[in-house]
Amino acid sequence: EAEVAQSPRYKITEKSQAVAFWCDPISGHATLYWYRQILGQGPELLVQFQDESVVDDSQLPKDRFSAERLKGVDSTLKIQPAELGDSAMYLCASSSPRLAGSSYEQYFGPGTRLTVT
Amino acid sequence: SQKIEQNSEALNIQEGKTATLTCNYTNYSPAYLQWYRQDPGRGPVFLLLIRENEKEKRKERLKVTFDTTLKQSLFHITASQPADSATYLCARPLTTDSWGKLQFGAGTQVVVTP
Repeated sequence: EAEVAQSPRYKITEKSQAVAFWCDPISGHATLYWYRQILGQGPELLVQFQDESVVDDSQLPKDRFSAERLKGVDSTLKIQPAELGDSAMYLCASSSPRLAGSSYEQYFGPGTRLTVT
Repeated sequence: SQKIEQNSEALNIQEGKTATLTCNYTNYSPAYLQWYRQDPGRGPVFLLLIRENEKEKRKERLKVTFDTTLKQSLFHITASQPADSATYLCARPLTTDSWGKLQFGAGTQVVVTP
């Protein structure tokens, strides 16, 4: 069964350092999402891509966060510089709403657990 | 602010019983609600979607209801098993016209004991 891949699974970094996360969605899924999940809370949307274009990045702290999906396939989320409050799980999800009968369900990857010290 | 709320307390239930989880939302009524399961350290897994014109949806031992008057969805796990232990998240579209972008609740942890 196809899955969303993310790497690394765990990342420990010092504050003020740069960090990057990678996501490879399910093949053929045009829509890709990055979420941040703080322990004990639900996922919070950071950015949504449709193919290579950003559809919504209104919740992305653009002073330090950036996201790209250059070829409309895999995606990278970067934080520079990292702050203590960025410690969280970063989840990538993909969906394919173009498919007939799609329920807009999202398929999530395993996430990257970021710890900023 | 627009909220989607779930019971924050863990639900402890004996194997074989029915677990019932609540999801309440404020402001706009969504076109649909989704329910996900999340195990510790893993990403959420989609379970069910129920549209605003559907009163009830079933999938195996799972049942979801949607009451637009009460602004509430109920999620039932019948004949619960220890393997059902997880956190269950409800989600709605972030805005009235966004098919895709989701707003999640904080989730309710379910613990099923033998």
